[in-house]
Amino acid sequence: KNQVEQSPQSLIILEGKNCTLQCNYTVSPFSNLRWYKQDTGRGPVSLTIMTFSENTKSNGRYTATLDADTKQSSLHITASQLSDSASYICVVSPDPDGKSTFGDGTTLTVKP
Amino acid sequence: DVKVTQSSRYLVKRTGEKVFLECVQDMDHENMFWYRQDPGLGLRLIYFSYDVKMKEKGDIPEGYSVSREKKERFSLILESASTNQTSMYLCASSTIGYNYGYTFGSGTRLTVV
Repeated sequence: KNQVEQSPQSLIILEGKNCTLQCNYTVSPFSNLRWYKQDTGRGPVSLTIMTFSENTKSNGRYTATLDADTKQSSLHITASQLSDSASYICVVSPDPDGKSTFGDGTTLTVKP
Repeated sequence: DVKVTQSSRYLVKRTGEKVFLECVQDMDHENMFWYRQDPGLGLRLIYFSYDVKMKEKGDIPEGYSVSREKKERFSLILESASTNQTSMYLCASSTIGYNYGYTFGSGTRLTVV
């Protein structure tokens, strides 16, 4: 069964600090892995998309890494801001037909 | 700026009512999806569509139906709303190909009383 597991479930950090969120998956075959940011009460917004041939992708202060051999991905947030407080969701797709597997998300709280 | 627009942000309906949730995308995407999101359960796929007039059941289709008469519009229908359908509903669209990603709408918070 395809699964995506994210850790930690929740995280609290101080403004300006860095943090790393983890995503482990058992989806196979693998097409792409995406990270989304979801503010409370809003729809998810795409941060990064990585295919099997990519191992790093950056979007401003967000850097995603992918190890297709170990089936692990991480999202690193640098110099956190209060606006980074959100849920971060990892999504993995086995093929391009649209059937994706979602992780349950990591809730990040950035405190001043 | 490309968009997926959901017709309502908040909706309150009574048990037994027929409820329509509308979603429109302006990106000419082939695929459209309906998810519901509940605390502790993540996003769960209700229905999706690859093309006009085509639909496929997702993981939790019971109590729902969909309609896609035009490429840009995908409607979710609750035939007879029940309290356990109180949830956040998210519509998404995507194109096809290995580097595709979803574009989500802002969500509809449905409360069934």
